[in-house]
Amino acid sequence: QVQLKESGPGLVAPSQSLSITCTVSGFSLTSYGVSWVRQPPGKGLEWLGVIWGDGSTNYHSALISRLSISKDNSKSQVFLKLNSLQTDDTATYYCAKSKFAYWGQGTLVTVSA
Amino acid sequence: QIVLTQSPAIMSASPGEKVTMTCSASSSISYMHWYQQKPGTSPKRWIYDTSKLASGVPARFSGSGSGTSYSLTISSMEAEDAATYYCHQRSSYPCTFGAGTKLELK
Repeated sequence: QVQLKESGPGLVAPSQSLSITCTVSGFSLTSYGVSWVRQPPGKGLEWLGVIWGDGSTNYHSALISRLSISKDNSKSQVFLKLNSLQTDDTATYYCAKSKFAYWGQGTLVTVSA
Repeated sequence: QIVLTQSPAIMSASPGEKVTMTCSASSSISYMHWYQQKPGTSPKRWIYDTSKLASGVPARFSGSGSGTSYSLTISSMEAEDAATYYCHQRSSYPCTFGAGTKLELK
């Protein structure tokens, strides 16, 4: 069955970079896109970006200068990298299969010194 | 970007009561999608393509709308329906979500 699982560092210092891996199973990354969505504690959902099956990407305009999404099809992994973290980047980060029918469990990232 | 405005932000309903929540888009979109989220869990796709129920969603739920105005209706509230519901559009990038309607059991 379709599964997605995020793995992240948990705690990141301000101004540092964040790297999160989404490992998928049950579908091929060459055929389906994967989006990243984040949710600050107690707040709503924010779409960050998507990587499509052909490797092309779309990013939220507010994050385009700091965000990069890539993937390794052979390992069924999608990577999010967010630079220059600030405290308001503290959130649970989710990956989701195209059309958002399937979501990972999320990984909480706290930005703090 | 298309802004989605959900109302109300918070509401409560008694068991058996009919519930309607709305989502207004700042520009016309083709479809609206809805997600249910309970505390400590990931969002779940609930209604997609405006009116199609996701797998396992009870038939008391329905979705409707067109253009800029969409709604989610529960015909008869049950305790398990207490959750936060988010509307979502991906007709135009960037994808956007509404701020959510928190539905509580009265």
